[in-house]
Amino acid sequence: KAGVTQTPRYLIKTRGQQVTLSCSPISGHRSVSWYQQTPGQGLQFLFEYFSETQRNKGNFPGRFSGRQFSNSRSEMNVSTLELGDSALYLCASSLAGANTDTQYFGPGTRLTVL
Amino acid sequence: GEDVEQSLFLSVREGDSSVINCTYTDSSSTYLYWYKQEPGAGLQLLTYIFSNMDMKQDQRLTVLLNKKDKHLSLRIADTQTGDSAIYFCAERQMNSGGYQKVTFGIGTKLQVIP
Repeated sequence: KAGVTQTPRYLIKTRGQQVTLSCSPISGHRSVSWYQQTPGQGLQFLFEYFSETQRNKGNFPGRFSGRQFSNSRSEMNVSTLELGDSALYLCASSLAGANTDTQYFGPGTRLTVL
Repeated sequence: GEDVEQSLFLSVREGDSSVINCTYTDSSSTYLYWYKQEPGAGLQLLTYIFSNMDMKQDQRLTVLLNKKDKHLSLRIADTQTGDSAIYFCAERQMNSGGYQKVTFGIGTKLQVIP
């Protein structure tokens, strides 16, 4: 099976702009989670989608939003970009079984905000 | 609390064993994971252990879980230069809605000296 893919791999934006990142999960996986990784804060959970519904959310402002499509692909949007949004954004997919829900990560999208 | 704590850095000589430690606080954790991240890449699942197990061995990797002390360790036998990476400990908890949530540690950077 193909792994989790994320596009684009690299992005450079300026403050105030908005950005959309895409994640395609492993075939058959219905859950997609998004994480922000920065050197100072480590890996922080943004949100999780399952069957097109958000079912978990981390402690991020409303500028961060996401959605999931019927084919389980997910997009994450960040509006009004700030310098502090520069980070590696990782997506992880899982089958979403009740108790054995191991996550598999994509390579990430490196976002730089200037 | 939901904190997962790890030391930031570990340096070992090639051929020696590495032990990376992690402590967590949530007694409701179901699974505990170890992920490896190489520079510029996403997270790779190394191994995981169910919370009712004490030990799991997988080739050069040994995971030990002390549930009483909420302590998890990853031992890498015969450490190689290719093991140089950041290692993340993570715990899975079930939230009040019965869904998964995963909390990651900040990561331990393992440096293997030839």
